[in-house]
Amino acid sequence: SQTIHQWPATLVQPVGSPLSLECTVEGTSNPNLYWYRQAAGRGLQLLFYSVGIGQISSEVPQNLSASRPQDRQFILSSKKLLLSDSGFYLCAWRGGGPNEKLFFGSGTQLSVL
Amino acid sequence: SQKIEQNSEALNIQEGKTATLTCNYTNYSPAYLQWYRQDPGRGPVFLLLIRENEKEKRKERLKVTFDTTLKQSLFHITASQPADSATYLCALDWDSGNTPLVFGKGTRLSVIA
Repeated sequence: SQTIHQWPATLVQPVGSPLSLECTVEGTSNPNLYWYRQAAGRGLQLLFYSVGIGQISSEVPQNLSASRPQDRQFILSSKKLLLSDSGFYLCAWRGGGPNEKLFFGSGTQLSVL
Repeated sequence: SQKIEQNSEALNIQEGKTATLTCNYTNYSPAYLQWYRQDPGRGPVFLLLIRENEKEKRKERLKVTFDTTLKQSLFHITASQPADSATYLCALDWDSGNTPLVFGKGTRLSVIA
């Protein structure tokens, strides 16, 4: 069966520090991969998605970047965090066909202080 | 402009009653509509998917309708229980599996015993 791993669960970082969040998927190949952010009391904001290795689409211009070095690995990074980067970050995957459901990771609660 | 809206941010309902949540969209033509449940501090979990040519879909105590003329989906939980308390998200989906879902902001449902 397929599983998605996302870590760490909680992260407290000072302003200006770098960030690296990692997400891996097991049990499937060539998944579509997504990074979402959810600010407190807000909806899901799509940050990046990838339909294949090295293919990254950015939805929101900001100081974050994403990379997909391997088929089932998706990394969210920042060189210098801002206070506004605080939030709940979720990785998700689904198959490339139509009407496929999204499977979400357990999330990372990031607090930038 | 394109919008997806869930009727209310929060909904309180008495245990045993039917909860009805609304999802409206404008300037989109989705082929599918998906509903997810999100508990605090967790990633959303898929509940139901309905196609544009389906009027209604049921799963246990859950029922979803999809009216492409009104551009609206209704999500019903019958005989609601306190364990149904969560945030419910609707999402628009298309025939291309590579197009990301578009999520509403969610409705926080509280079922009161």
